[in-house]
Amino acid sequence: DTAVSQTPKYLVTQMGNDKSIKCEQNLGHDTMYWYKQDSKKFLKIMFSYNNKELIINETVPNRFSPKSPDKAHLNLHINSLELGDSAVYFCASSHFGTGELFFGEGSRLTVL
Amino acid sequence: AQRVTQPEKLLSVFKGAPVELKCNYSYSGSPELFWYVQYSRQRLQLLLRHISRESIKGFTADLNKGETSFHLKKPFAQEEDSAMYYCALSSFGGSQGNLIFGKGTKLSVKP
Repeated sequence: DTAVSQTPKYLVTQMGNDKSIKCEQNLGHDTMYWYKQDSKKFLKIMFSYNNKELIINETVPNRFSPKSPDKAHLNLHINSLELGDSAVYFCASSHFGTGELFFGEGSRLTVL
Repeated sequence: AQRVTQPEKLLSVFKGAPVELKCNYSYSGSPELFWYVQYSRQRLQLLLRHISRESIKGFTADLNKGETSFHLKKPFAQEEDSAMYYCALSSFGGSQGNLIFGKGTKLSVKP
């Protein structure tokens, strides 16, 4: 009965590779997010989708491309991975206009 | 500019001692503030929000608009309170929806 689930939990890959992280929520929320947590535990919004439409696109390299096939899914694809992309990526969801976000467990990406 | 500041990276207290995690914000509108907590190896979760004015796990937080603060307090810390705490500001005005997080404070409660 996991509310927000992300896969994979761990991802180790080489520089230059392309990888994807998937996220699904079964809470009936209309808004989904991707946050990046760096090594200092700082959380920063990357993208936000409301009803499958992009509403927030922070200053993120265009190597990062989110895709929302439906309201319950928001995937993150990363091209040409760099060392600095190593982080924990959190997916979250909410009803639009509320600050109560439900987070996934995070996907730890390590780029070697 | 919208900003959330948590001045302490790490706060270490002994069990039974009072604890206060500081949070200051900068926001031009009417703020909605939250505290989120991340226990070891668990997902980030909402602890409390200012509009509900509730106490969760003994924690309370009062919004002080004059001081632009939303400090989290607990009179008697427990070891299980050890976690990463994030103060967050909701900027859901207009067409955007976003939760801005502070950099977090790691609370360590020693036996």
